[in-house]
Amino acid sequence: SYEVTQPPSVSVSPGQTASITCSGDKLRDKYVCWYQQRPGQTPLLVIYRDTQRPSGISERFSGSNSGNTATLTISGTQPMDEAEYYCQAWDSSHVIFGGGTKLTVL
Amino acid sequence: EVQLVESGGGLVQPGGSLRLSCAASGFTFSDYWMNWVRQAPGKGLEWVANIKQDGGEIYYVDSVKGRFTISRDNTKNSLSLQMDSLRAEDAAVYYCASSMTWSHGMAVWGQGTTVTVSS
Repeated sequence: SYEVTQPPSVSVSPGQTASITCSGDKLRDKYVCWYQQRPGQTPLLVIYRDTQRPSGISERFSGSNSGNTATLTISGTQPMDEAEYYCQAWDSSHVIFGGGTKLTVL
Repeated sequence: EVQLVESGGGLVQPGGSLRLSCAASGFTFSDYWMNWVRQAPGKGLEWVANIKQDGGEIYYVDSVKGRFTISRDNTKNSLSLQMDSLRAEDAAVYYCASSMTWSHGMAVWGQGTTVTVSS
């Protein structure tokens, strides 16, 4: 079965750019979504179709997908961005989540 | 207001059954794929099942195939998950979530309902 892999943790200083990767075989051939989940909250869709931002999501969030890796980029990282981030792809009509990346802003 | 509200969670013994429900409001329910996603305590998100707008396509993660059944009633704007032969590893918060198409992602999530499997 298809799998996508994320690093368990990423650290970034406030105001800097954070990059969270999601890797999978020929991931470029699949659309990738990204979710933010703050502690105790439900997941929030921040990127869909690789690069698209839902209404209301800050422009600081952007996405890309090339080769075997999709990337969520958060520019001007703020303390409020500290959360778990999950990538998600579809494969044969099945939804695949990555294991999640804990973003620490310090 | 666009909203999904889950119910039906609780404590069940291993091997038992539980039926989860998800009530949708504020949007045209029949226009959306619906998903169940679960999250075990301290763990990541795991997709469980989804169902197409008209119910004509249904998919499950392998670990629940044959034990869980997803269904929807577009006349009542409701989604259900019948869970049979429950195991300890099924214990989690279960979320229902909607997606316009498979590529649009799950834009609306419920608050979740907790399933505990223990003797």
